[in-house]
Amino acid sequence: DGGITQSPKYLFRKEGQNVTLSCEQNLNHDAMYWYRQDPGQGLRLIYYSQIVNDFQKGDIAEGYSVSREKKESFPLTVTSAQKNPTAFYLCASSSAAEGQPQHFGDGTRLSIL
Amino acid sequence: AQSVTQLGSHVSVSEGALVLLRCNYSSSVPPYLFWYVQYPNQGLQLLLKYTSAATLVKGINGFEAEFKKSETSFHLTKPSAHLSDAAEYFCAVGAMDSSYKLIFGSGTRLLVRP
Repeated sequence: DGGITQSPKYLFRKEGQNVTLSCEQNLNHDAMYWYRQDPGQGLRLIYYSQIVNDFQKGDIAEGYSVSREKKESFPLTVTSAQKNPTAFYLCASSSAAEGQPQHFGDGTRLSIL
Repeated sequence: AQSVTQLGSHVSVSEGALVLLRCNYSSSVPPYLFWYVQYPNQGLQLLLKYTSAATLVKGINGFEAEFKKSETSFHLTKPSAHLSDAAEYFCAVGAMDSSYKLIFGSGTRLLVRP
């Protein structure tokens, strides 16, 4: 079955450490997205990519970085510059066309040790 | 710019009662609208989408939503709530700026009382 795989499901970060969250999709989608979700809050867009080797900052990109070297993969790095990284991170993908729904992975929960 | 407002961060209904979750949007052009459901510690699952074909949209799990242009609303309903419907529900509108982004509301948590 086609879908989006996020790994790991749970991740712990030490102070000053960078961590990378994996997102892989086999839906043949051109566009991919990373969101952050805090308890009781909606989704905030971190980065998005409409095509391989190109990506744009979302609303809360500071302290995060991404790459898009392959169509199927869009990893997110939470850097030490992100002072409050504890959150639930969701990856999504969609066809690159107006009105298309986004398909979501099951998320990665990141906590600080 | 597009925006979405979901009225009520929490809605509580009895099992078997009508479910009504409210969503109002702001858009300068005919919008693309979506409802998603999120169960604890999971990603979002698409319930239904409006893309101008019909004003009443039927989705999965017995949910439906009606697009009302005059009220700029896209409320989600289900005639009879099940315990399994307890989850968080998000309304979203397409950004319409060639970015393919979705603008999400802040979500409504649905509680279903036995």
